[in-house]
Amino acid sequence: EVQLVQSGAELRKPGDSLKISCKSSGYSFTAHWIAWVRQVPGKGLEWLATVYPDDSDVKSSPSFQGRVTISVDKASATTYLQLNRLRASDTAIYYCARPHSGIFSHLDFWGQGTLVTVSS
Amino acid sequence: DIQMTQSPSTLSASVGDRVTITCRASQSINTRLAWYQQKPGKAPNLLIFKASNLERGVPSRFSGSGSGTEFTLTISSLQPDDFATYYCHQYDSSWTFGQGTKVEIK
Repeated sequence: EVQLVQSGAELRKPGDSLKISCKSSGYSFTAHWIAWVRQVPGKGLEWLATVYPDDSDVKSSPSFQGRVTISVDKASATTYLQLNRLRASDTAIYYCARPHSGIFSHLDFWGQGTLVTVSS
Repeated sequence: DIQMTQSPSTLSASVGDRVTITCRASQSINTRLAWYQQKPGKAPNLLIFKASNLERGVPSRFSGSGSGTEFTLTISSLQPDDFATYYCHQYDSSWTFGQGTKVEIK
């Protein structure tokens, strides 16, 4: 059974950095990209970045380039999202999700989400 | 960037109603479009991919159609479990999502 399990809720201050995780299981971790998507409470979905775990190739949304870093630990099948210079508008639920095939594909499995609150 | 415009933003309907949600792309995306259902406090759940393909395990009352720039999601007979928010998602060029359609009880 494919599962993506994310780390727990985080509280940060403006200007801080954040690193959250997404652990994959039930499939070949290095054979599928992993995407990060966020959702501001009560709002729509926004793509941040996507990584290919086999070689750590990363594609980022222009809206987040320079602030987002994606890393991978193949040994534990875990993907990490780091977001720097946090602001209040980064308060959102952050999801990892698996594209079905290739980098830009429909998302067939999702993590449960990690709530990130940025507040002074 | 490709913009996705969903309509309506809110839809009030009754159990048994036929419901249609529309998604329009700012340029052609062929059939590279997915639909997701999201319930409060949960992650989105894939319903339809490649515009008209039903994901395994999704009830057949859900269907998708369209190509190019105009797409629809139809629920043939609304069930109590279907009251949720629905999102379209284009993956032809990068990724963008529609702003969502909330289906609520009339």
